[in-house]
Formats: sequence, C-alpha cells, structure tokens
Amino acid sequence: QVQLVESGGDLVKPGGSLRLSCAASGFTFSDFHMSWIRQAPGKGLEWVSHISSSGTIVHYADSVKGRFTISRDNSKNSLHLQMNSLGAEDTAVYYCARLMSGFYTPLDFWGQGTLVTVSS
Amino acid sequence: DIVMTQSPDSLAVSLGERATINCKSSQSVLYSSNNKNYLAWYQQKPGQPPKLLIYWASIRESGVPDRFSGSGSGTDFTLTINTLQAEDVAIYYCQQYYSSPPETTFGQGTRLEIK
Repeated sequence: QVQLVESGGDLVKPGGSLRLSCAASGFTFSDFHMSWIRQAPGKGLEWVSHISSSGTIVHYADSVKGRFTISRDNSKNSLHLQMNSLGAEDTAVYYCARLMSGFYTPLDFWGQGTLVTVSS
Repeated sequence: DIVMTQSPDSLAVSLGERATINCKSSQSVLYSSNNKNYLAWYQQKPGQPPKLLIYWASIRESGVPDRFSGSGSGTDFTLTINTLQAEDVAIYYCQQYYSSPPETTFGQGTRLEIK
C-alpha cells in the first residue's frame, strides 16, 4: 500500500535551516508528481511546493519562494524540502503528499507529517 | 490567487441527519475544454493527515462511503454527508487545483460536530 513517511522536523532558531525528507513506498515513485503542504498549529492547510515526477519542474508558494528548495531522488524514492531563513511563521506540521496524476490533480495520499518549530 | 471560502466555519448535526458544507471560489475552477471542475474535498480527523474524499467536484475517491457526495460547478460547490455517523466528526476542507502556474489553495475548513 502507498506509504509516505516524513522526517527531519525539529526545533530550530529563527534564521536557521532544516531539511525535511519523505520516504515513499508502495508505488512507483518516479511516476508521480509530489507536493509539500503545511499546517500551522490549529490552522488550515497551506500549499508549499510542487515537484514534477522527473524533478525538473518545481513551483513554490510566494511565502517560501527564495527560501525553500524542493528536490527528489527517484533512485531512493525520497522527496526533500530544504528550508532556509526560517521564521516563526514557518512553524507547522509539514506533510508530503502525492499528486494523483500531474500538477492539476488532487492530492490522493498524504504522510503523517513532521513538526517544524521555529523559536528562540 | 484563487481564494476559497467555506461556510459555515462550524456546524453541529444530529446523528443520522444530513450535513451540508459550502465552498465558494473567487473565480471559476471549471475548465471549459474538458468540462471538469478542479475542486476536491478532504476530511481531516484530529491528529491525522487530510484524506481525499471527493475530486473533480463530484467523484468519490475509492473506499469513501457513498453517504459522502459532492456537487456544484464554476464557483459554488457543496459537500453533503447523508446519515451522519459519529466517525464523520472532522474538519472538512475544499481545495482548488485549477490555478496556473500550478499552485493550489484550500478553504479555511469547516468543523463538523455531533449535536
């Protein structure tokens, strides 16, 4: 069955960096576009970034553009999010999710999420 | 950006009754070339990730009970839950995936409780 397992969440100081990972299994990872979605404590869902199946096309929310970098390693079935210049507004649970069939499709599987806390 | 607005923010419905959640987009999410509405609904229970319920506005995801249904077109959409069960207590989100370049936005969520 499809599994997405995030890791790398931690407590980090403002201005710091963190790298999140998502291990995928149960499907042909290289066939699917992937996304990161975040959810601040007690708040709604916010899209962060998309990446194409090959990794050649990426898109970012304006709120993270220039600070976050999405990448993937299809040989290791893994998705990553490099987060730099973190601020309190980046505190959230970060979910990796699979796009059903291309960028303009819903997110059909989600991981359990990893918590990022930005605080001094 | 397409803004998604849900109503109400919360509602309480008795077991066995019907729950109705509305979602309005700031611009149409109907793509005329294929006549598809780029609109999905998700259910999120406490401590869990969101789960896809409905996509293309009215297609039920595999395994989702048929008491869940989606309707609407263009800018106005509805999620209906018939014969409410205790396990339906959750926050429900609508999502548009129409925007180009690809980005997606969610409604603020509707909290559903048992009356």
